Amino acid sequence: QMQLQESGPGRVKPSETLSLICDVSGYSISSGYYWGWIRQSPGKGLEWMGSIYHRGIPYYNPSLMSRVTISEDTSKNQISLKLSSVTAADTAVYYCATYGDYDAFDNWGQGTMVTVSS
Amino acid sequence: QSALTQPPSASGSPGQSVTISCTGTSSDVGAYNFVSWYQQHPGRAPKLIIYDVTKRPSGVPTRFSGSKSGNTASLTVSGLQAEDEADYYCSSYAGNNHFGIFGTGTKVTVL
Repeated sequence: QMQLQESGPGRVKPSETLSLICDVSGYSISSGYYWGWIRQSPGKGLEWMGSIYHRGIPYYNPSLMSRVTISEDTSKNQISLKLSSVTAADTAVYYCATYGDYDAFDNWGQGTMVTVSS
Repeated sequence: QSALTQPPSASGSPGQSVTISCTGTSSDVGAYNFVSWYQQHPGRAPKLIIYDVTKRPSGVPTRFSGSKSGNTASLTVSGLQAEDEADYYCSSYAGNNHFGIFGTGTKVTVL
């Protein structure tokens, strides 16, 4: 059974780059599916950040495109997220999720909270 | 692209039905049959309960159903149960490889 586990620093300073890792177990990321990131600001809704297919180009939310990078590491079966020039508005729970068989976000990690603060 | 519009709250007694609307535009909800719904309990990750407007993933109870008319999609929970108390979010493919615009979310309370 596929499992996704996010990890990374819980606090990032303003203007720095947020970096997160999604460890995938029970499924090889090179076998299919889009792998991506979704975030949820405290008390607010969900925002798709972007997704990537194995050896494909990543697709990003236009509102974040200038700051976000999603990449894969097949040797470690991981997906990574980098978000540059962060501000307090980037404080959120960040989820790793697949966009797969159902044309929807069908597998989610438990999420990791990131606070942007000096 | 703006978030899809959902009512902030909805409620019903056990056994009753509740319907949540999700209003988008002719560029997202109205353009594609890739509308999905997610259930989120406090402190938990969202869970997919409806995809492709009307379909349920394996294991999701039949009391959850979806529909769409024009630019508005709807989720109906029939025979409300205590465990259905949660936040619900809709999402739609928005074209140009924009995989998902989400709704503003609806908190469902079981009275």
